[in-house]
Amino acid sequence: GAGVSQSPSNKVTEKGKDVELRCDPISGHTALYWYRQSLGQGLEFLIYFQGNSAPDKSGLPSDRFSAERTGGSVSTLTIQRTQQEDSAVYLCASSLAGAIREQFFGPGTRLTVL
Amino acid sequence: QQQVKQSPQSLIVQKGGISIINCAYENTAFDYFPWYQQFPGKGPALLIAIRPDVSEKKEGRFTISFNKSAKQFSLHIMDSQPGDSATYFCAASMVQGAQKLVFGQGTRLTINP
Repeated sequence: GAGVSQSPSNKVTEKGKDVELRCDPISGHTALYWYRQSLGQGLEFLIYFQGNSAPDKSGLPSDRFSAERTGGSVSTLTIQRTQQEDSAVYLCASSLAGAIREQFFGPGTRLTVL
Repeated sequence: QQQVKQSPQSLIVQKGGISIINCAYENTAFDYFPWYQQFPGKGPALLIAIRPDVSEKKEGRFTISFNKSAKQFSLHIMDSQPGDSATYFCAASMVQGAQKLVFGQGTRLTINP
């Protein structure tokens, strides 16, 4: 079956603009994660969704970042008033619920803020 | 306390050699330690993982060694091949709760033919 898909694959925007990044998880996966991969910072957790539970937003770096997951499937990460330091690859992962959740990653969206 | 430190940053190994990447963690609540492999332009893919109740896990040419008292774990790639050239990330998480992964900084591995 299809893996995790993300769109767009690349996004170039101007400082101050809002951007939306989309993630389509693997069908049937109830858990969904967003991570950010930036040079010198490695991969860092942003937000986690599990079923209908309240999301774990503990990794969001500022209130300019938000995410939602509609119908327990597709997720959108929104960055408002983008800054140059937001430039990174944004990765989405999904997993089945269970004792050990193998996280399957998408290819990421490379965001460049000019 | 949430950090995972990984070394080396880059590693060059001859074909057929052994590649060794090391990680250390601080949070003793971590109880799941996966390694991910990432090729350029792709997302990370799970390679092998270990729980702290064992000291070693082997899958094919890949072995994780785990030292709970030292809070260290390492990845060994035996008979390294050019196709193993990639960036490797160690990670740690707690099985209870969200299982959000805390990643090391990554190691860029190059296998010379």
